Amino acid sequence: EAQVTQNPRYLITVTGKKLTVTCSQNMNHEYMSWYRQDPGLGLRQIYYSMNVEVTDKGDVPEGYKVSRKEKRNFPLILESPSPNQTSLYFCASSFRGESEAFFGQGTRLTVV
Amino acid sequence: AQSVTQLGSHVSVSEGALVLLRCNYSSSVPPYLFWYVQYPNQGLQLLLKYTTGATLVKGINGFEAEFKKSETSFHLTKPSAHMSDAAEYFCAVRPGRAGGGNKLTFGTGTQLKVEL
Repeated sequence: EAQVTQNPRYLITVTGKKLTVTCSQNMNHEYMSWYRQDPGLGLRQIYYSMNVEVTDKGDVPEGYKVSRKEKRNFPLILESPSPNQTSLYFCASSFRGESEAFFGQGTRLTVV
Repeated sequence: AQSVTQLGSHVSVSEGALVLLRCNYSSSVPPYLFWYVQYPNQGLQLLLKYTTGATLVKGINGFEAEFKKSETSFHLTKPSAHMSDAAEYFCAVRPGRAGGGNKLTFGTGTQLKVEL
């Protein structure tokens, strides 16, 4: 089954404790991205990757890091989480061109 | 640069009534346009998309949308609402030309409520 898998689905952590949210896709998509969803703001892009070892900032990259060492994986790293990073996070992947983006189930992060 | 405006953060309709969710976009290149639906505690699911060709596109669950270039709009409609349509709906735009990038930009979403 074609899918984008995020882990964990729910995470509560404390300020400053480094964490990683994993994302994996099995569709051989070139393009992957991370979004955060906040009430009234829709989905905002954090980082994206056009292919292996090619990443770039989205609209709200501050406080986040990413890496793309393999085509299927695109982890999101919060080196020192803060409460304003409490949000619902989505990973998405797609081919280029006309293809739609496929989304993971989301990771609800709470930073206390 | 591209952006999406969804008019109405909350829309309420009666079961069996017409559903109309509005989306206007701006894009410096011809756009690809998408509507996604999000049910509670779930990810986003594609409803329909416009890339090229016919401007009236049909999607899943009886939804359809019409691309109107002159109005820069891509409104989502369904003739008869069902209780199961209650969800949040997002309109999104992406550059539709090679070299225009691959970024998907979302609107702020419209929460649809369906009442008996």
